[in-house]
Amino acid sequence: GIQVEQSPPDLILQEGANSTLRCNFSDSVNNLQWFHQNPWGQLINLFYIPSGTKQNGRLSATTVATERYSLLYISSSQTTDSGVYFCAGSSRNDYKLSFGAGTTVTVRA
Amino acid sequence: NAGVTQTPKFQVLKTGQSMTLQCAQDMNHEYMSWYRQDPGMGLRLIHYSVGAGITDQGEVPNGYNVSRSTTEDFPLRLLSAAPSQTSVYFCASSGQGLQYNSPLHFGNGTRLTVT
Repeated sequence: GIQVEQSPPDLILQEGANSTLRCNFSDSVNNLQWFHQNPWGQLINLFYIPSGTKQNGRLSATTVATERYSLLYISSSQTTDSGVYFCAGSSRNDYKLSFGAGTTVTVRA
Repeated sequence: NAGVTQTPKFQVLKTGQSMTLQCAQDMNHEYMSWYRQDPGMGLRLIHYSVGAGITDQGEVPNGYNVSRSTTEDFPLRLLSAAPSQTSVYFCASSGQGLQYNSPLHFGNGTRLTVT
């Protein structure tokens, strides 16, 4: 499977701040997803975004497939945004979705 | 819809014991998978299935068996538990496999401790 690198590993934000999380892939991906793991351990799918840009409320994501990276933007952060953000990807005809090590986000009130 | 349901939520085993982690989904998803999550290592794929009767190995399959006799169920069996299998296990499913616009949905996890 492909290798996935996420940066930064940790991020501390003041409530209301904006931030960008990055995900780099070792090979081209046909499937790219972002997930949020909340403090209770639940994994929630945020975006399915193999290319282009999507927005969902204060979150948006952009994938530049030709350059093998994806960005997740958090705007006007809230304490409920705290948790671990994972990106994951797989290449064409590969059924193995590989995860990065995650970015731990802490939003302080 | 309940989504992806995992049981039990917590389990403690002694070294050498066997057990089965249950996973069921009610979304008629073809693709199902098992991951383990260890601190600082993200999620690692154990086994996956693209449909009933079809299973394949992921990144860390040793010590685990799976079967897929129905679309709904995808149990994970630990044959002889070892302390290295202490982890949080997640089951996930996807509607049309990973090749189409179908996001992965996770269960709430099973926290397993092997002493």
